[in-house]
Amino acid sequence: EPEVTQTPSHQVTQMGQEVILRCVPISNHLYFYWYRQILGQKVEFLVSFYNNEISEKSEIFDDQFSVERPDGSNFTLKIRSTKLEDSAMYFCAIGTSGVIGETQYFGPGTRLLVL
Amino acid sequence: AQSVTQPDIHITVSEGASLELRCNYSYGATPYLFWYVQSPGQGLQLLLKYFSGDTLVQGIKGFEAEFKRSQSSFNLRKPSVHWSDAAEYFCAVSSRDDKIIFGKGTRLHILP
Repeated sequence: EPEVTQTPSHQVTQMGQEVILRCVPISNHLYFYWYRQILGQKVEFLVSFYNNEISEKSEIFDDQFSVERPDGSNFTLKIRSTKLEDSAMYFCAIGTSGVIGETQYFGPGTRLLVL
Repeated sequence: AQSVTQPDIHITVSEGASLELRCNYSYGATPYLFWYVQSPGQGLQLLLKYFSGDTLVQGIKGFEAEFKRSQSSFNLRKPSVHWSDAAEYFCAVSSRDDKIIFGKGTRLHILP
């Protein structure tokens, strides 16, 4: 099973600050995803990323969010100006083919708290 | 729209007892269904998945799930739970594209 690490494991930030969450797949994968889970709610899809482009994004993924692979290995999620409601657990996932029903492998998550 | 419902937020069973976690889905076409488990401080680990074929699917850690199209259900079962099974369990469906839609999860508590 592919391994995925995420850093940091926890982050506390002030409202309005920028945060960058990082995802590092241990092996080469082409398809990347970000999900988030607000406390007590379901895990929600944010964005999928393939070949250095966003392939799909949800209505949650507004202009405050961006994703990139700055060095070909790390996959980052940036929140430009955090809001209180951005407090959540953020999960990175990777896939090999991007097809329907493919298994996605999830990282341990980053817990973000916006004060 | 695709959706997943897990009607039980919390379930408590005694160690050694059998377990069934319920999951109902809403999906227009043939669904791709998953069960993930999240232990404290861990990521989401895939337990099993159903794509087609045999409706009874075997997974890791002794879990199995049965796909019932007539009931739109994909319930997770284990004949005898262990204390290490205490975790949160998520049922999920893969949508028309490649994103996964999750249920709200069921937290499993194990009594010694």
